[in-house]
Amino acid sequence: AQSVAQPEDQVNVAEGNPLTVKCTYSVSGNPYLFWYVQYPNRGLQFLLKYITGDNLVKGSYGFEAEFNKSQTSFHLKKPSALVSDSALYFCAVPEDTGRRALTFGSGTRLQVQP
Amino acid sequence: KAGVTQTPRYLIKTRGQQVTLSCSPISGHRSVSWYQQTPGQGLQFLFEYFSETQRNKGNFPGRFSGRQFSNSRSEMNVSTLELGDSALYLCASSPGEVYTDTQYFGPGTRLTVL
Repeated sequence: AQSVAQPEDQVNVAEGNPLTVKCTYSVSGNPYLFWYVQYPNRGLQFLLKYITGDNLVKGSYGFEAEFNKSQTSFHLKKPSALVSDSALYFCAVPEDTGRRALTFGSGTRLQVQP
Repeated sequence: KAGVTQTPRYLIKTRGQQVTLSCSPISGHRSVSWYQQTPGQGLQFLFEYFSETQRNKGNFPGRFSGRQFSNSRSEMNVSTLELGDSALYLCASSPGEVYTDTQYFGPGTRLTVL
């Protein structure tokens, strides 16, 4: 089975500073990776995904993610954090090749301080 | 395009009762997946439907069931509710059969079992 791990439960960053939310993966074959964000009392909102191609993937709301095959990582980044970015972030991967069911990481709470 | 809608948004039931949750996918989307989110277990896949057929099922007891209608709308049912079924139930839709298609999530149904 394929899996992702988010090593940090919480990330704190000051507004205007760059942010990074970490994700590492374990897959067989080609990795397909997703990032979602969850605001309080809301569902998950899709940010971006990596299927193939450029290692830097651009997504919604100014977020981007860097795919690194040698380090099996797919870290989410943003050059300048906003207070409104404070939320719960999940990375995800199909639980197995050919299966749509997503396996999610445990989530990282991002707190952006004014 | 309207997003994924889920009804009801909140539900309170007592142990032993049964409950039905409804999901309307994005117009034109034919695949619907269901996930359970709890503080302890995180996000877990329940099942996936495509063209009225269950394609995949997660590791949940038979008390959890679902179906999909010809208009792609989906329902999930939980019978003989237990306290541990209290969770946010999320529905996600995607356009077709490609397993790397993005899944778009609804706002969820918050189920509380007393």
